[in-house]
Amino acid sequence: KNQVEQSPQSLIILEGKNCTLQCNYTVSPFSNLRWYKQDTGRGPVSLTIMTFSENTKSNGRYTATLDADTKQSSLHITASQLSDSASYICVVSSQAGTALIFGKGTTLSVSS
Amino acid sequence: DSGVTQTPKHLITATGQRVTLRCSPRSGDLSVYWYQQSLDQGLQFLIQYYNGEERAKGNILERFSAQQFPDLHSELNLSSLELGDSALYFCASSVGGTKVNEQFFGPGTRLTVL
Repeated sequence: KNQVEQSPQSLIILEGKNCTLQCNYTVSPFSNLRWYKQDTGRGPVSLTIMTFSENTKSNGRYTATLDADTKQSSLHITASQLSDSASYICVVSSQAGTALIFGKGTTLSVSS
Repeated sequence: DSGVTQTPKHLITATGQRVTLRCSPRSGDLSVYWYQQSLDQGLQFLIQYYNGEERAKGNILERFSAQQFPDLHSELNLSSLELGDSALYFCASSVGGTKVNEQFFGPGTRLTVL
């Protein structure tokens, strides 16, 4: 069964610190993996999209990595800011079929 | 602002009723996607339209239906509503219809079924 698991479920860090969020998937055959940021009550915003051949992609202070062999991805946030407080969702799509498979997200809280 | 608009922002209705949610994609985008987000389920893909035609179907109930009109706006119809249909409904749009296209999400419609 195609699944996307994210950890941790929630995370609290101090402003200025770094953190790493994890995503493990069982989707096969793999097409691409996306990370989204979703502020409470708002629509998700795309951070990165990675295909099979890409293993690192950056978007400002956000860096995503992908290991297609172990079916793992991580999102690293550098020098966190209060505005980084949000839910971060990992989404994987399969070459077979058309649906996107969403993880349940990691809720990040950045405190001052 | 993603450029995707959704109306209404909030909707409160009773069980058994029918509602219509509306979505206008970004200018130039041909694909529209509908998603449901409830507290315990996370985001669930419902259905995709591309240039007026149904392209992909996800976990959409038979009580739900959607269409995309010639001007590319889309409507999601929910009927025989149940308490469990209470959720945030998001629309997203993309230029193309493939899985590698970036999707831009609207602000969502919060549906409450009492």
